[in-house]
Amino acid sequence: DAGVIQSPRHEVTEMGQEVTLRCKPISGHDYLFWYRQTMMRGLELLIYFNNNVPIDDSGMPEDRFSAKMPNASFSTLKIQPSEPRDSAVYFCASTTGGEPPLAQYFGPGTRLLVL
Amino acid sequence: EDQVTQSPEALRLQEGESSSLNCSYTVSGLRGLFWYRQDPGKGPEFLFTLYSAGEEKEKERLKATLTKKESFLHITAPKPEDSATYLCAVRYNFNKFYFGSGTKLNVKP
Repeated sequence: DAGVIQSPRHEVTEMGQEVTLRCKPISGHDYLFWYRQTMMRGLELLIYFNNNVPIDDSGMPEDRFSAKMPNASFSTLKIQPSEPRDSAVYFCASTTGGEPPLAQYFGPGTRLLVL
Repeated sequence: EDQVTQSPEALRLQEGESSSLNCSYTVSGLRGLFWYRQDPGKGPEFLFTLYSAGEEKEKERLKATLTKKESFLHITAPKPEDSATYLCAVRYNFNKFYFGSGTKLNVKP
């Protein structure tokens, strides 16, 4: 299996621009998570989906952030407009809801720099 | 309050000097505890799953153990390539996850 795939791996953009991060979960996994990681705050859960439906988006910082999962093999995290404080590494992870309970498996991350 | 606490925050060891990392948790309905390794610039890499108190898992120089309140990651005779940040996470209340803040391990030759 190819594992969780994220694109792009690096993104540099200017403040005010729209940024779209993409994720392909592991085939057969029905849970998908978006995280943000910074030195100051560690790993923060932004939102997670089950069977393509958003279950908990309480970690989404503000309305500038939105996430979608149009099908079982694709999800996007969009920031519009982007701000310098959004600079971080964004991870996507997936797992299953079956038994036994499995760990989350992470993608390589997207390193975002907003100038 | 649901919580996962890892200690120490950072650990410096000499090559060959064994030690342990701690992960304590206060959640109800634990379904699994997971250890990850994260190298700089990479995503967390899954290492072990522990499901019940008394369970142990081993891989090379690493051994993970679980009690009702905490888990330990024992590192025996570490090498410089074991340097990384080690994260623990719990899965509880059906499908909630909580990650600790990690222990940054530095093994010097």
